[in-house]
Amino acid sequence: ETGVTQSPTHLIKTRGQQVTLRCSSQSGHNTVSWYQQALGQGPQFIFQYYREEENGRGNFPPRFSGLQFPNYSSELNVNALELDDSALYLCASSFKEEAGNEQFFGPGTRLTVL
Amino acid sequence: ELKVEQNPLFLSMQEGKNYTIYCNYSTTSDRLYWYRQDPGKSLESLFVLLSNGAVKQEGRLMASLDTKARLSTLHITAAVHDLSATYFCAVDNWAGNQFYFGTGTSLTVIP
Repeated sequence: ETGVTQSPTHLIKTRGQQVTLRCSSQSGHNTVSWYQQALGQGPQFIFQYYREEENGRGNFPPRFSGLQFPNYSSELNVNALELDDSALYLCASSFKEEAGNEQFFGPGTRLTVL
Repeated sequence: ELKVEQNPLFLSMQEGKNYTIYCNYSTTSDRLYWYRQDPGKSLESLFVLLSNGAVKQEGRLMASLDTKARLSTLHITAAVHDLSATYFCAVDNWAGNQFYFGTGTSLTVIP
């Protein structure tokens, strides 16, 4: 069974730039959620994708957008980067039809905005 | 907005001792999740609690859920150094499309 993978591992960008982060779901999972985790804080839910559509969204502005592909992999796009976007970005996959929503997390992408 | 609070935020305990981490949440939810995060690493799923009164145990960790009190506990028995990590609880909404994490409890087990 293949776990959740993310790329890249680390990324440095400057203010105003755009970034795309990628996530491959665990085999057999159909749902991907993205989280932002600032240093010393808990993960903040950005959004969830299910069947290639945004299925739920946290309190993040529209410059945070995403995609889910037919193979259930996903992208997180962030436009007009701000300094406060510096964080660890985590994706998590799950199988929605099962009772509960146990999520399995990828290793994360560390984004630094200068 | 649903809020999830954990206490304590920081916990330093000696090996062999017992302690409990508390997780309170602000709205009705029948599902609660516990995760572990090691420094610089991702989150590892520990427990999924799906109903009132649910109790799960794995090794020295035991988690329980009281949905009426909106409270979950993570009990640590006879702590060992390998349990040093940050522990998060999380809840989701009824549709399972919004997730809320607690502030985390940073646990250090001292030999």
